[in-house]
Amino acid sequence: GAVVSQHPSWVICKSGTSVKIECRSLDFQATTMFWYRQFPKQSLMLMATSNEGSKATYEQGVEKDKFLINHASLTLSTLTVTSAHPEDSSFYICSARDLRAGPGTGELFFGEGSRLTVL
Amino acid sequence: KQEVTQIPAALSVPEGENLVLNCSFTDSAIYNLQWFRQDPGKGLTSLLLIQSSQREQTSGRLNASLDKSSGRSTLYIAASQPGDSATYLCAGNSGSARQLTFGSGTQLTVLP
Repeated sequence: GAVVSQHPSWVICKSGTSVKIECRSLDFQATTMFWYRQFPKQSLMLMATSNEGSKATYEQGVEKDKFLINHASLTLSTLTVTSAHPEDSSFYICSARDLRAGPGTGELFFGEGSRLTVL
Repeated sequence: KQEVTQIPAALSVPEGENLVLNCSFTDSAIYNLQWFRQDPGKGLTSLLLIQSSQREQTSGRLNASLDKSSGRSTLYIAASQPGDSATYLCAGNSGSARQLTFGSGTQLTVLP
């Protein structure tokens, strides 16, 4: 299957700092990428849909000014957690679909996730 | 809005048993349904993808079925092994952005 790479895989930061997480599709291009958040022992919750060349679409309850998403190219989307606080500590996972697969039919490929711990 | 439910939340079986994990979804207008495996502290591993036009998919000891009319999918694992121990997630692909909506998962433990 196609490869999606996330970096960093884990990060520890102090409260009030900003953290950037990168999501790259290594062997395919993706016009749309998705960002999920997973708290311990819970399932994945969609945070936002990242669209190449345009603004991201955020799910209800997700602060767009706190979770900045940039999708500058067909292979890279970034999630920046601004002014992070301990309650932002979570496992963040991105996914992408090969644009050649066509809308709605292609398999979504997931990154390995990034574990954020805010002290 | 799509809602996905998985039953049971946890399951423990002895090695060698065949087992079934259940997934139900509220919006039958799904494009496809995926089953994933997640090991503790790790990302997702895609197991099977069933397109809306298909009824089942098989990979090795795994078989997944899809019944859109009833809003159900099952994952059948044959001859379970301790290495199958993980959390299994199903996710329905729907909506204008074709996003995945995940169930809460079934935590499977296969006892040696």
